[in-house]
Amino acid sequence: NAGVMQNPRHLVRRRGQEARLRCSPMKGHSHVYWYRQLPEEGLKFMVYLQKENIIDESGMPKERFSAEFPKEGPSILRIQQVVRGDSAAYFCASSPRDSNYGYTFGSGTRLTVV
Amino acid sequence: GQSLEQPSEVTAVEGAIVQINCTYQTSGFYGLSWYQQHDGGAPTFLSYNALDGLEETGRFSSFLSRSDSYGYLLLQELQMKDSASYFCAVRDQSGGYNKLIFGAGTRLAVHP
Repeated sequence: NAGVMQNPRHLVRRRGQEARLRCSPMKGHSHVYWYRQLPEEGLKFMVYLQKENIIDESGMPKERFSAEFPKEGPSILRIQQVVRGDSAAYFCASSPRDSNYGYTFGSGTRLTVV
Repeated sequence: GQSLEQPSEVTAVEGAIVQINCTYQTSGFYGLSWYQQHDGGAPTFLSYNALDGLEETGRFSSFLSRSDSYGYLLLQELQMKDSASYFCAVRDQSGGYNKLIFGAGTRLAVHP
């Protein structure tokens, strides 16, 4: 039973390029959450999705960031026209249902913008 | 909204006991959870308290006092491998949707 799979593990982009981060939740999990973590800081909520639906995107920056969780395939976090300040670790978590606590996290994607 | 406060750093020696505190402010409470994260690694779930009292899981225990909006994680018989960051988290139901909100984390350094 594979865990939450994220790829790539490391991603380097030049300023102005697009970054696409992928997340496949655990088998049987239909709820996906994206978090951003800056160096030496905590996990900041970005967006909560279920299949084909964005449930809560209150943590997403208003511009350049978007997320989707299609019926088939992984969840995608897309960052357009990246800037240096987007450099961070992006973690995806999943849960089987609306959960109070038991998220399973992926190993994250470390984005570096040069 | 929700907010959580925990110390930024804690230092201890191998074999010792350390307590990491967490105070929270939340408009509705659905339990306090704890996660561990090693450098470069994924956060992993440690424990969850919905009711007052102490929950023990091996060397780790977690305590909750709902009346004080306070909890702590207790690590006993510390080992070098316990050096990591520890995050407390509560559920945020703002906007009618649920997601976990995390504290800024406590970095635990265990020394020989």
